[in-house]
Amino acid sequence: DAKTTQPTSMDCAEGRAANLPCNHSTISGNEYVYWYRQIHSQGPQYIIHGLKNNETNEMASLIITEDRKSSTLILPHATLRDTAVYYCIAGRETSGSRLTFGEGTQLTVNP
Amino acid sequence: GAVVSQHPSRVICKSGTSVKIECRSLDFQATTMFWYRQFPKKSLMLMATSNEGSKATYEQGVEKDKFLINHASLTLSTLTVTSAHPEDSSFYICSAEGRYSNYGYTFGSGTRLTVV
Repeated sequence: DAKTTQPTSMDCAEGRAANLPCNHSTISGNEYVYWYRQIHSQGPQYIIHGLKNNETNEMASLIITEDRKSSTLILPHATLRDTAVYYCIAGRETSGSRLTFGEGTQLTVNP
Repeated sequence: GAVVSQHPSRVICKSGTSVKIECRSLDFQATTMFWYRQFPKKSLMLMATSNEGSKATYEQGVEKDKFLINHASLTLSTLTVTSAHPEDSSFYICSAEGRYSNYGYTFGSGTRLTVV
């Protein structure tokens, strides 16, 4: 699995957009970019994933660069409940493929 | 959406005893389940991968005789920590991959194990 690099921590004001970057320069052609988040003492929660195209769902948007070496997760209107550790993971979508977690980004949303 | 139930959420046990943690997929069949361990302020570390009806595959450095994994059905996998010691105290999390899941991997809520 390709290694991902994320900033250790970020702050965001409530109501503003939170933009979380991720570098995955060694990602292979069949690896997706997954984003999960983990609120303290809970299991990770799926946010979004994508291969090449930008993706949007009710939680967030995922912007993947054309060369696929980096991506950005966008929470359009961050709330205090979005405070969590956000993990960017490169992984295959084939059955049995495992997800390898890096250190993630601690996002703190401030009032 | 896909739901994974993990039980118990917290357990305290005495050193030397065994503890069983259950992971159930509630609304889908889980062909593969993964077990992770997480120490305070650290990331999730994959311990093992289990496939229904076959032996689990353990990550390097994880003792298979200490962390027994059983995946007897498409909706249930169990992790048994045998002869637990204080250093086994950790947050254990399972995840399941479903045949018809739209989200690939769904995680349980975790089990906080404290060995005293």
